[in-house]
Amino acid sequence: GAVVSQHPSWVICKSGTSVKIECRSLDFQATTMFWYRQFPKQSLMLMATSNEGSKATYEQGVEKDKFLINHASLTLSTLTVTSAHPEDSSFYICSARLALGFDTQYFGPGTRLTVL
Amino acid sequence: KNQVEQSPQSLIILEGKNCTLQCNYTVSPFSNLRWYKQDTGRGPVSLTIMTFSENTKSNGRYTATLDADTKQSSLHITASQLSDSASYICVVSAENNNAGNMLTFGGGTRLMVKP
Repeated sequence: GAVVSQHPSWVICKSGTSVKIECRSLDFQATTMFWYRQFPKQSLMLMATSNEGSKATYEQGVEKDKFLINHASLTLSTLTVTSAHPEDSSFYICSARLALGFDTQYFGPGTRLTVL
Repeated sequence: KNQVEQSPQSLIILEGKNCTLQCNYTVSPFSNLRWYKQDTGRGPVSLTIMTFSENTKSNGRYTATLDADTKQSSLHITASQLSDSASYICVVSAENNNAGNMLTFGGGTRLMVKP
């Protein structure tokens, strides 16, 4: 089956620093990857859609300059939280979709970010 | 606006008992409906996927139903185990020909199975 990995699985950083989270599709090529944020006891909220080789599309209310997304290859997308603040502490989950027209998304295991 | 509502928000049952989780949706045009299990601190894992023409689908002790007319789905868990404790998320997909995200997520039901 399709496997999506994330790294790191958890990270603690100081306020004002930047943190990079990687999302990889291990056994398939993903033309599209999605980044979600999940706060405690809430469901996943889509942050942005990332297509390989093009700029990400951000959902309303998500700051593109704060959450930098790079999708340089068909198997790797990165999310960088710049100048992190405690309110950015959350569970970040990525998913990968095989190709346009396929709606199946394979989810990664998530990254727990804690900003002190 | 596409929406997915789940009930109850949380549920506590004793080990070995059965339970049923509900999902109502207003997503159009409908493509499919998935139930996911999300363990604490982990990503969602797909349990079942149902298209418009399917009424019932089972995966072990999990049985999902779909009524496309009333736009309702349920997930029935039989003989619950402690490992069933998790959040269960109903996700409905809309048909979409562009590259955007076609998924609408429910708020989830947090299930706790006690010994």
